[in-house]
Amino acid sequence: GNSVTQMEGPVTLSEEAFLTINCTYTATGYPSLFWYVQYPGEGLQLLLKATKADDKGSNKGFEATYRKETTSFHLEKGSVQVSDSAVYFCALIPFSGGYNKLIFGAGTRLAVHP
Amino acid sequence: SAVISQKPSRDICQRGTSLTIQCQVDSQVTMMFWYRQQPGQSLTLIATANQGSEATYESGFVIDKFPISRPNLTFSTLTVSNMSPEDSSIYLCSVSESGGNQPQHFGDGTRLSIL
Repeated sequence: GNSVTQMEGPVTLSEEAFLTINCTYTATGYPSLFWYVQYPGEGLQLLLKATKADDKGSNKGFEATYRKETTSFHLEKGSVQVSDSAVYFCALIPFSGGYNKLIFGAGTRLAVHP
Repeated sequence: SAVISQKPSRDICQRGTSLTIQCQVDSQVTMMFWYRQQPGQSLTLIATANQGSEATYESGFVIDKFPISRPNLTFSTLTVSNMSPEDSSIYLCSVSESGGNQPQHFGDGTRLSIL
């Protein structure tokens, strides 16, 4: 079946540290991959996406590369800020030519301290 | 991307009552969805709201508990019926403008507490 596995949190970092949140997936066919972010008290915002192998999605200093050989889509940022504190969700749509469900990982909470 | 408004943003309800949550989009969209996010958990899809026909429910969710309407391409409602404390969650509406492998965009959610 289709699934997404994320590293467990919370991840606690100091401001300006390097961030990696690991995400691996299991899917048939060629899924599209996404990272969403949920700030405290808010809904989910799309952070970045990649729709085919070797694509790199990037936004707000975050980036992730679609690695088909390792079935991974790790989220990275070179220098985190306190305002990046949030829950990050890796997700996929197992594309097969029509509508398919968005499947989420468990989420990883990031806390950044000054 | 589409702007999604959900109402109410939060509510506190008594056991045994029902609450209807509204989701309004500022443009016509192909797909609308309803999710539940239990405290500290990830999102679980409740159902896909189909315009002009009955919603498509995921395993573990039934129409009697979560009736859904979608009268047009910009509006949907989710009712949480006969509520119990276990229904305390965030309920989120999302939309996909064209379906397929396009990303879904989410509203801010409705934070529901049942006493």
